[in-house]
Amino acid sequence: GAGVSQSPRYKVAKRGQDVALRCDPISGHVSLFWYQQALGQGPEFLTYFQNEAQLDKSGLPSDRFFAERPEGSVSTLKIQRTQQEDSAVYLCASSTYEGGPNQPQHFGDGTRLSIL
Amino acid sequence: AQKVTQAQTEISVVEKEDVTLDCVYETRDTTYYLFWYKQPPSGELVFLIRRNSFDEQNEISGRYSWNFQKSTSSFNFTITASQVVDSAVYFCALSEDTGFQKLVFGTGTRLLVSP
Repeated sequence: GAGVSQSPRYKVAKRGQDVALRCDPISGHVSLFWYQQALGQGPEFLTYFQNEAQLDKSGLPSDRFFAERPEGSVSTLKIQRTQQEDSAVYLCASSTYEGGPNQPQHFGDGTRLSIL
Repeated sequence: AQKVTQAQTEISVVEKEDVTLDCVYETRDTTYYLFWYKQPPSGELVFLIRRNSFDEQNEISGRYSWNFQKSTSSFNFTITASQVVDSAVYFCALSEDTGFQKLVFGTGTRLLVSP
């Protein structure tokens, strides 16, 4: 498909387990973002990649959160030793540089993570 | 610091009514960008509009229109003749020229359009 693809769509894990969430951005999009959306709230920024370089990780809530984009395309968000407060929808977005800065970000359907 | 406020948590209207969703923002940058996104029950955020801080012209797209006023730091969204399919959560967002383009979102306004 032509849009941002995220998998899995739903993930249930027990507290303390590690999880990995995948994002496949729109082909050719240089910029990739991860956001966390708690129930009833707006998305909150986690981290940003420009190609394979992670240029901003100021939103990652703790050192249990780790993201990578090794080849500048697919990205993985990993959460280690999950806690109940990690339960949320994790959204991935990508955007292009063509047409100038701050182009619209295109979002995937998200991964709904539930920690038991 | 950047901040977006959407004071209306939920709005209910009857089909064909007009409805305005409010958005107030705070930023110290002189160059910034404002966005509106729609989030239907399926969950995907759908891009509606992008406006930069130097363009205060109002915009109309079909039943949708946007009113950008720098003097009041507002970027309001009006849906004319609302339809049931407009039911969704609408988010206003801000990105600054610096800061790697990350979006700062408001808390969203849930719009319920009943037949």
